Amino acid sequence: SQTIHQWPATLVQPVGSPLSLECTVEGTSNPNLYWYRQAAGRGLQLLFYSVGIGQISSEVPQNLSASRPQDRQFILSSKKLLLSDSGFYLCAWSGRAGVWGDTQYFGPGTRLTVL
Amino acid sequence: AQTVTQSQPEMSVQEAETVTLSCTYDTSESDYYLFWYKQPPSRQMILVIRQEAYKQQNATENRFSVNFQKAAKSFSLKISDSQLGDAAMYFCAYSTSYGKLTFGQGTILTVHP
Repeated sequence: SQTIHQWPATLVQPVGSPLSLECTVEGTSNPNLYWYRQAAGRGLQLLFYSVGIGQISSEVPQNLSASRPQDRQFILSSKKLLLSDSGFYLCAWSGRAGVWGDTQYFGPGTRLTVL
Repeated sequence: AQTVTQSQPEMSVQEAETVTLSCTYDTSESDYYLFWYKQPPSRQMILVIRQEAYKQQNATENRFSVNFQKAAKSFSLKISDSQLGDAAMYFCAYSTSYGKLTFGQGTILTVHP
C-alpha cells in the first residue's frame, strides 16, 4: 500500500531564516506531487505541483520554491522566511502522472510558525 | 478560473441524524471531478467521496452520499446516521488539469451526542 510522509511535523522558525520541508511517498512510482498551504481555519491553496523529476510548476508567486530531486521526494524551500509564510503545509500525491481527476492523497502535514 | 463555494461555515447534527453540507462551483468545463475531503482535528485530509462529472449517478460510500446537480453546478454531501467521529471540517474540491484541486473554504461539522 502507498504511504506519504512529511517532516518535520512542527517547526518554529525566526523571520529571515531558511526553510526546508520534505515529503516522500512509498509504494508507488512516478506520482504527481503537490504542495498546499492552509491558513488557519481556511481552505487549501495549491503552491506547487510536479509531474516528474525536475519538473515543477508554481501556482503562486512568492518566496517559496520546490524541488523534486527523486521520483518520490518533494521538497519545499525558502531562503528567507516571512511572517506570512506561517501556516499548515500539506503534501499530496496522485497515482497517474499528468492525468487529471485522479484522487489526491494527503500527508499528515507540517505546522510552520514564523516568529 | 474555477471557484468553489461552501456557504455554510458551520453545521451541527445530533448523533444518528442526517445532515447535508452544501457546495457550489463555477466552471466552463464539461468534464471534471468533484471531491469531498474531511479534515479531523489531526488536520490530515481524508478523502470522503469522489464524483465524476460525466456520470449522472450520484456517488455513494457507506453513510456518505452526494447530490450532484451538474446544470445547477451543485455538489452537496449527505451524511446519514451521523457518528461522533464524523465531527470535522469538510472541504468540497474541484479537480482541474493535472489534478490541481481548488478547495472551498470548508464547513465545520459538530456532532452532538
